[in-house]
Amino acid sequence: DTGVSQNPRHKITKRGQNVTFRCDPISEHNRLYWYRQTLGQGPEFLTYFQNEAQLEKSRLLSDRFSAERPKGSFSTLEIQRTEQGDSAMYLCASSSTFTSGVYNEQFFGPGTRLTVL
Amino acid sequence: EDQVTQSPEALRLQEGESSSLNCSYTVSGLRGLFWYRQDPGKGPEFLFTLYSAGEEKEKERLKATLTKKESFLHITAPKPEDSATYLCAVQAPSGGSYIPTFGRGTSLIVHP
Repeated sequence: DTGVSQNPRHKITKRGQNVTFRCDPISEHNRLYWYRQTLGQGPEFLTYFQNEAQLEKSRLLSDRFSAERPKGSFSTLEIQRTEQGDSAMYLCASSSTFTSGVYNEQFFGPGTRLTVL
Repeated sequence: EDQVTQSPEALRLQEGESSSLNCSYTVSGLRGLFWYRQDPGKGPEFLFTLYSAGEEKEKERLKATLTKKESFLHITAPKPEDSATYLCAVQAPSGGSYIPTFGRGTSLIVHP
């Protein structure tokens, strides 16, 4: 396994279009996270899955954002009706299930850079 | 209010000049504090996990420590290849879930 992969690496779109990003986690990891990162900021949590269950989605930025992980493997993040303010790096990370009440480290993909014109 | 604050925002060092980066946090019920390194245009790369006050981890020129209120990343005799942004993150209860929260990072430049 070569780590977390994300596609596409770059996406340029026009305002109002829909975009979808894909994340393939490390195969033995059952937790998958999505983040947004803008210049000079740390990653901002959006949502996460354990297997196919989306356990937290209240931090998705608006109802234009949605994520799926239909078979508990890869995940997609969709942004509908994109706005210029959506321009950012979108990061995916995976981890194994926490044990003994603590959380394990996350392994990040290279990110998808979105530019909305 | 910010739950995770990193300082300084930026740090310039000469090669070989040791220093420390700070990560202070205000969360309770900590379930892990994580340090990552991020190079420009890339995803963060995991460095260390700390779980309890007094814990220390080392890797090459880096050493991470944890108290009940903050963590330090000590860099001993840094080299230019250590130049990167260093991110701190905590995993703690937030509204019924354990959401990871990142600081803004410290941008480190090491001059040869």
